[in-house]
Amino acid sequence: QVQLVESGGGVVQPAGSLRLSCAASGFTFSTYPMHWVRQGPGKGLEWVAVISYDGSNKFYVDSVKGRFTISRDSSKNTLYLQMNNLRTEDTAVYYCARDDQYNYNAFDIWGQGTMVTVSS
Amino acid sequence: DIQMTQSPSSLSASVGDRVTITCRSSQSISTYLNWYQQKPGKAPKLLIYAASSLQSGVPSRFSGSGSGTDFTLTISSLQPEDFATYYCQQSYSTPRTFGQGTRLEIK
Repeated sequence: QVQLVESGGGVVQPAGSLRLSCAASGFTFSTYPMHWVRQGPGKGLEWVAVISYDGSNKFYVDSVKGRFTISRDSSKNTLYLQMNNLRTEDTAVYYCARDDQYNYNAFDIWGQGTMVTVSS
Repeated sequence: DIQMTQSPSSLSASVGDRVTITCRSSQSISTYLNWYQQKPGKAPKLLIYAASSLQSGVPSRFSGSGSGTDFTLTISSLQPEDFATYYCQQSYSTPRTFGQGTRLEIK
């Protein structure tokens, strides 16, 4: 079935790094733009980054520019988020989501989320 | 960036009630407006895309309307499983901003 599964979350100290992965299955991963969305404890949803279907275009929310890098490997059907120089305010559940470009770019498939805790 | 504002932030209602949640964008987004439902500890789930199109598998008691800057999500007859938090999101431009959420609670 169509599925996204995140991994790579954990506890990291401020200024540390972490790489999240999102494994896709059940659909042609290489034809869809993909996003990362995060949710801080008790907070709402915050869009983080997007990558085009072929990896040629990437955009980020201002608060992570220069620190986070989104990438994809279509040979492995996997989306990544490299997070460097982490701050306490980056603590959140991180979700990957598929962009349904055939239906007004809604996020139609979501992973289960992976928790990132930035704390000393 | 386009700002999305939902109202109310929270809402108490009873099973069987008709409920409406509104979402306003800071500039026109045509019908590039989506609605998601999120239950505690779970990922968001797409309910409505393109302002009024029901995602496959979503019950018909959910409906959406609007265009431009003003949008609504209506649940015609609340069921116990509908108590959750609802988010609007614009997909007109990047960053793909979300509303702050509306928490729907049991009265």
